[in-house]
Amino acid sequence: SQTIHQWPATLVQPVGSPLSLECTVEGTSNPNLYWYRQAAGRGLQLLFYSVGIGQISSEVPQNLSASRPQDRQFILSSKKLLLSDSGFYLCAWSAIRQGGEAFFGQGTRLTVV
Amino acid sequence: SQQGEEDPQALSIQEGENATMNCSYKTSINNLQWYRQNSGRGLVHLILIRSNEREKHSGRLRVTLDTSKKSSSLLITASRAADTASYFCATATNTNAGKSTFGDGTTLTVKP
Repeated sequence: SQTIHQWPATLVQPVGSPLSLECTVEGTSNPNLYWYRQAAGRGLQLLFYSVGIGQISSEVPQNLSASRPQDRQFILSSKKLLLSDSGFYLCAWSAIRQGGEAFFGQGTRLTVV
Repeated sequence: SQQGEEDPQALSIQEGENATMNCSYKTSINNLQWYRQNSGRGLVHLILIRSNEREKHSGRLRVTLDTSKKSSSLLITASRAADTASYFCATATNTNAGKSTFGDGTTLTVKP
């Protein structure tokens, strides 16, 4: 069966420090991969998605970047965190190119102080 | 801008009652999905309804889709305290390459 791992669960980082969040998927190949951010009490904002190794699409201009070095690995990074980067980050994968059910990791609560 | 918008924003009911949440969207879709999120956790997929379907059931869940009104509803029957969570709709379209757009969700509280 397919599983998705996202870590860490919580992270407190000072302003200006780098960030690296990692997400890996098991049990499937060539998945669509997504990074979302969720503000408190709000829905999900799509940050990045990837349909293959090295293929990254950015949805919103921001201080973050994403990379997909392996088929089932998706990394969210920042060189210098801003206070506004605080939030709940979710990784997800789906198997359907045309859109469909997505499977989410447990999320990372990032607090930039 | 949000494609899916849920209504109401918050809903509080007693255990055993039915809960109905609505979702409206703006453009033509391939499918619409409903998800559940417990506080501080990831989202869990509940049900997907395709644009050529009008109703779908899964256990105590019933989803309807009205493409003429660009709206969907999620009905949870015989609610339980464990149904307390936020519920989101998400839409996938022909032109968005597999990306789904999420609404802001409905927060459901089921009182025991």
